[in-house]
This record gives sequence, C-alpha cells and structure tokens, in this order.
Amino acid sequence: DIQMTQSPSSLSASVGDRVTITCRASQNIDSYVNWYQQKPGKAPKLLIYVASSLQRGVPSRFSGSGFGTDFTFTISSLQPEDFATYYCQQSYGTPYTLGQGTKLDI
Amino acid sequence: QEQLVESGGGVVQPGRSLRLSCAASGVTFSGFPLHWVRQAPGKGLEWVAVISYDGSNKYYADSVKGRFTISRDNPKNTLSLQMTSLRAEDSAIYYCARATPTGWGSYFEYWGQGTLVTVSS
Repeated sequence: DIQMTQSPSSLSASVGDRVTITCRASQNIDSYVNWYQQKPGKAPKLLIYVASSLQRGVPSRFSGSGFGTDFTFTISSLQPEDFATYYCQQSYGTPYTLGQGTKLDI
Repeated sequence: QEQLVESGGGVVQPGRSLRLSCAASGVTFSGFPLHWVRQAPGKGLEWVAVISYDGSNKYYADSVKGRFTISRDNPKNTLSLQMTSLRAEDSAIYYCARATPTGWGSYFEYWGQGTLVTVSS
C-alpha cells in the first residue's frame, strides 16, 4: 500500500500568514495527489486535484505543487474561513490512502 | 441542487449488520467511480471502498475486506454499502463520494453529508 505522510499534524497561524503543508508518498505517484479541506461537522471539500489544479470555485490563494513523492499545499494569505483541517490523498492506486491531516488553527 | 445524501446509519450491536445507502440529486452517478470514506470520532479520514462505473470492479480497505460489500444501482442513481460482522472500530461517520477520473487517477469531487454508524452493545 502507498503511505502518505503529511506534516505538520497541527499548525498555528494568523490571518494574512502564508502556510505550507507537505505530503510525502512512500513511492512514486506521479501527480496523483488531491487536497481536501474539512471543517468541523462538515464533509470534506475538494480544493486541489492532480497536485496543482485548482477546483472550480476555490479561491486562488490555495495552490499545490509537486511530483513523484513530495507534494506541497500552500495558502498564500490566510483568511478567517481557512481555519480547518486539511488532508492529502493519493489516487495512483488502491487503497486510495489519505494523509493523517493537518489541523490549522489560530 | 447538487448533492449526495447518505442514509441507513444508526446504533448496532457488535457482530450485527447494517446497510448504508447514498442517493444522488443533481449529481451524475452513471459513468463515474463511487467511493465510501469513513471518519472515526475525532480521527482522520479513512478510505473504505470503491466501485467502478459499471460495478464490475470493487476494491476494499484491508480493514473491511470480507465484511463489507459495495454495490451500485445505476438506473436508480444509488450506491450502497452492506456491512456485516460489525466491530467497535467500525464506528464512524460514513461518507459517499463521487470520483471524477483524471488520467490514471481520480479525485473526490462530490461528497455526501455523512451518516453516523455506532457499533456498541
């Protein structure tokens, strides 16, 4: 199985900060990483797919990059509504493993 | 309105069975892979199972293999998860998700709101 190691597990930041989350795959997964945001009591929401493609309707302050085994998710300028938990997920092969999550709080 | 709606959750005793359903409204199911993802209380997301667009291929997480069965009814636009021999560690919110294929992979574009399963005596 492909393991997705996400870091950090938690992060404290302020409005306006630039924030970066990383995800490392246990083997080459090309660009097949997606990023999701989850707020308490809500379903996850797709933000980024295939490493760097922005889902329609998602603000451009969210971005992703990477290829192979190392991937990065960035919020360029944190807004109050961005405080949530973020997950990476690989879709290169089953099982479609997810990272452990990064809880972003103030 | 585009939405997926899960149902069938509840409290069930260890060793018993439960069937979850997911219905689509305004979201096309036909032609797309469908998944179940779960989240134990206070924990992260765990992928559970996937079924191909035509139901011919199914894959499961090791933690549920042999106990859970995923199925779909394309004419009715529904997805199901039959869960048997339930354990306490199966307690979670269960989400259905519709995937959009892209090249070799896919991404979960649409999610339901989740249905809570609690396995307890």
